[in-house]
Amino acid sequence: ETGVTQTPRHLVMGMTNKKSLKCEQHLGHNAMYWYKQSAKKPLELMFVYNFKEQTENNSVPSRFSPECPNSSHLFLHLHTLQPEDSALYLCASSQAAGEKTYEQYFGPGTRLTVT
Amino acid sequence: QQQVKQSPQSLIVQKGGISIINCAYENTAFDYFPWYQQFPGKGPALLIAIRPDVSEKKEGRFTISFNKSAKQFSLHIMDSQPGDSATYFCAAARRGNLIFGKGTKLSVKP
Repeated sequence: ETGVTQTPRHLVMGMTNKKSLKCEQHLGHNAMYWYKQSAKKPLELMFVYNFKEQTENNSVPSRFSPECPNSSHLFLHLHTLQPEDSALYLCASSQAAGEKTYEQYFGPGTRLTVT
Repeated sequence: QQQVKQSPQSLIVQKGGISIINCAYENTAFDYFPWYQQFPGKGPALLIAIRPDVSEKKEGRFTISFNKSAKQFSLHIMDSQPGDSATYFCAAARRGNLIFGKGTKLSVKP
């Protein structure tokens, strides 16, 4: 595997379900990100982890819970979601130093549908 | 409040033509301006980027023009090809975080 991988690629869940999204990066990076991509809206940064420590939480509802067990893996735990949470969830990684922080490598995303 | 405004929302260009996508920002603290390209079913990929102390950067057929006083920057794709058909996002960076525009869907007709 190369680059940034995400599983599952597609997920349909009910509002009362609990599920998790997984991201793995094979680039030796030490910063990882979760973004939400909705139609006709800018990519929204949700969470940032630098060296496994959460450094950013952009006012994301508590029904989204991130976990970063090591610098290569990132999870997004989901529970009691709302239909408006349906979107493409993108994981990205980068080096956590200077301008390299801005050179982010994205995975293909998980298309989430909340019914 | 939208921090990075991108236009047009969609663009159709003939093969061989020039594609131009524009972005504007308000916050003068932004210190890095990348462009990302996204194909259907894929995540965005970094295409080209510029710092605010440079007025132009060219990589192959892709050029960024940057106007610091006007707080605007644009992406020019020369000799556009059908393979360039994708959604393009401009972004502005500050304190390690990227703020994205809404994207421009480019279609290059053969």
